[in-house]
Amino acid sequence: GENVEQHPSTLSVQEGDSAVIKCTYSDSASNYFPWYKQELGKRPQLIIDIRSNVGEKKDQRIAVTLNKTAKHFSLHITETQPEDSAVYFCAATLRDTGRRALTFGSGTRLQVQP
Amino acid sequence: NAGVTQTPKFRVLKTGQSMTLLCAQDMNHEYMYWYRQDPGMGLRLIHYSVGEGTTAKGEVPDGYNVSRLKKQNFLLGLESAAPSQTSVYFCASRSGGPGTGELFFGEGSRLTVL
Repeated sequence: GENVEQHPSTLSVQEGDSAVIKCTYSDSASNYFPWYKQELGKRPQLIIDIRSNVGEKKDQRIAVTLNKTAKHFSLHITETQPEDSAVYFCAATLRDTGRRALTFGSGTRLQVQP
Repeated sequence: NAGVTQTPKFRVLKTGQSMTLLCAQDMNHEYMYWYRQDPGMGLRLIHYSVGEGTTAKGEVPDGYNVSRLKKQNFLLGLESAAPSQTSVYFCASRSGGPGTGELFFGEGSRLTVL
């Protein structure tokens, strides 16, 4: 079936460094790609999203890039801080749910070392 | 402003028992979802609803049933619980058309099946 693959599964960086998380998707007609952050014991929350008619979107220290041809999108976090430590999920709307639901990647646990 | 509320938050069941998880949202959202979260597997869609009186299967629907009799409520039932259903269950809702819109999650319900 259709899916969203996410890499790496864990990522450790030093405070102040950049972090990059990558996702690929299978449905070439997918048009919405959000990223969610889940802190330990909390619910997932949207941090940024991008639609298929845009190649890049930034919000302060975070940015998302989309390559529709290659069917992959990435989350970039610059100047990482300890409070960025969390699990990050990418997602996409795929054909098998009529694009009415999000299919999530398996998550990336980001650890920012002070 | 409660947002999305799930009850109960914790439950322990014996194999073969039944139970219902209740999700309630006060944002007048059309779309509601049930996901399960297991270590290393991200959030997997169980069932979803695009409006009152409608339901549809997601990626992992077996062993679960749902009902959306009222717009604000989405119930997830386990008729005969199995240890493989031990997980954290998240309800979510959103407004908007297909493939768009922020998902608002509940706090999660941790279910253990012995």
